[in-house]
Amino acid sequence: NAGVTQTPKFRVLKTGQSMTLLCAQDMNHEYMYWYRQDPGMGLRLIHYSVGEGTTAKGEVPDGYNVSRLKKQNFLLGLESAAPSQTSVYFCASSQPGQGNEQYFGPGTRLTVT
Amino acid sequence: KQEVTQIPAALSVPEGENLVLNCSFTDSAIYNLQWFRQDPGKGLTSLLLIQSSQREQTSGRLNASLDKSSGRSTLYIAASQPGDSATYLCAVRAGSNYQLIWGAGTKLIIKP
Repeated sequence: NAGVTQTPKFRVLKTGQSMTLLCAQDMNHEYMYWYRQDPGMGLRLIHYSVGEGTTAKGEVPDGYNVSRLKKQNFLLGLESAAPSQTSVYFCASSQPGQGNEQYFGPGTRLTVT
Repeated sequence: KQEVTQIPAALSVPEGENLVLNCSFTDSAIYNLQWFRQDPGKGLTSLLLIQSSQREQTSGRLNASLDKSSGRSTLYIAASQPGDSATYLCAVRAGSNYQLIWGAGTKLIIKP
């Protein structure tokens, strides 16, 4: 039981490049989330999903897209990376009816130059 | 708009002391509040979750309290150890939205 895993762990992009971050969970959770964490700030929700095939915008969705084609996977895409997207990205999952307690992956550190 | 504040931003105490971390929120209409621990370069580990109907939760040396009317939660750590050194974050689930609203965290250092 690996919990929530994220790939890659680190990535450096040049401005304008694209990439996809992968999140996988093996807890059969319905809900999944993508957050970003910047120094001195709390986590901010980018997008979330309440089930396979559904996605919704969070607090800071601009410049990101997501897909949830399979229940266990939640992908975060950056179509044209900008330096402002330099951050640590965390994926989380939760199950309704269990207090919606969220379980987090180890994070992906992304640098855009 | 719900805002979550954690003061102080950093705290350093000698090993063995009991300590309290604070979390305040502006809107008392919350579903629950969660305390997390984050180690450098690592993900977040959930420590305690308090439902809006509860006053406190305990796990080992940790005790979290919730006072919705005053918009406050505290995380009490008994007999602190160097291994407790980490950043502690609180987050509230506000209303029917699935979104968690986060504090910026308190960085705790326990000196041997």
